[in-house]
Amino acid sequence: GAGVSQSPSNKVTEKGKDVELRCDPISGHTALYWYRQRLGQGLEFLIYFQGNSAPDKSGLPSDRFSAERTGESVSTLTIQRTQQEDSAVYLCASSSAGTAYGYTFGSGTRLTVV
Amino acid sequence: GENVEQHPSTLSVQEGDSAVIKCTYSDSASNYFPWYKQELGKGPQLIIDIRSNVGEKKDQRIAVTLNKTAKHFSLHITETQPEDSAVYFCAATYTNAGKSTFGDGTTLTVKP
Repeated sequence: GAGVSQSPSNKVTEKGKDVELRCDPISGHTALYWYRQRLGQGLEFLIYFQGNSAPDKSGLPSDRFSAERTGESVSTLTIQRTQQEDSAVYLCASSSAGTAYGYTFGSGTRLTVV
Repeated sequence: GENVEQHPSTLSVQEGDSAVIKCTYSDSASNYFPWYKQELGKGPQLIIDIRSNVGEKKDQRIAVTLNKTAKHFSLHITETQPEDSAVYFCAATYTNAGKSTFGDGTTLTVKP
């Protein structure tokens, strides 16, 4: 497709369960980003992948959060032992050649932990 | 690191009026300033951007201005319409920075 695709669009999970969120970036975009957006809040940086470089994990809030990217394609964000405070929309974005270009965001995954 | 402040946090205007949102940044190395519009239930969408080698850029009813000396940039929307109602985010970055730094967002409401 032409845009950034995220799945699932909605996820309800029980506290303590693990969840995996998926992001398919635009083909050819070397940079991929994950952000968290709590209700009515701004964009909280989580992690950044650029080509084959080591990812910038400086925004991950705890060791329950991890992310992987396969080459320059699909990325998965994993949250282990989910907590209620993890409830948010998780946004993925990709861009060509990194930071000197704008991001294309996906529609996000709305995660609700009950 | 870079710090971006965005004002106001909320803005309400009458249809047809102009709206202005302002951002300041701290890192003089920043050279790329995009603006995003986020409609309810959607991801942010890039609507306009400006690079540090120009002072102003226009695209129909929207324009962005940049003052490098003062380290601030602004989004101007003229002849506002109800469909302009959304949350707007500014951002600042520089080549090889790794990631953009976003402002906290402005909720714009255009009253018909």
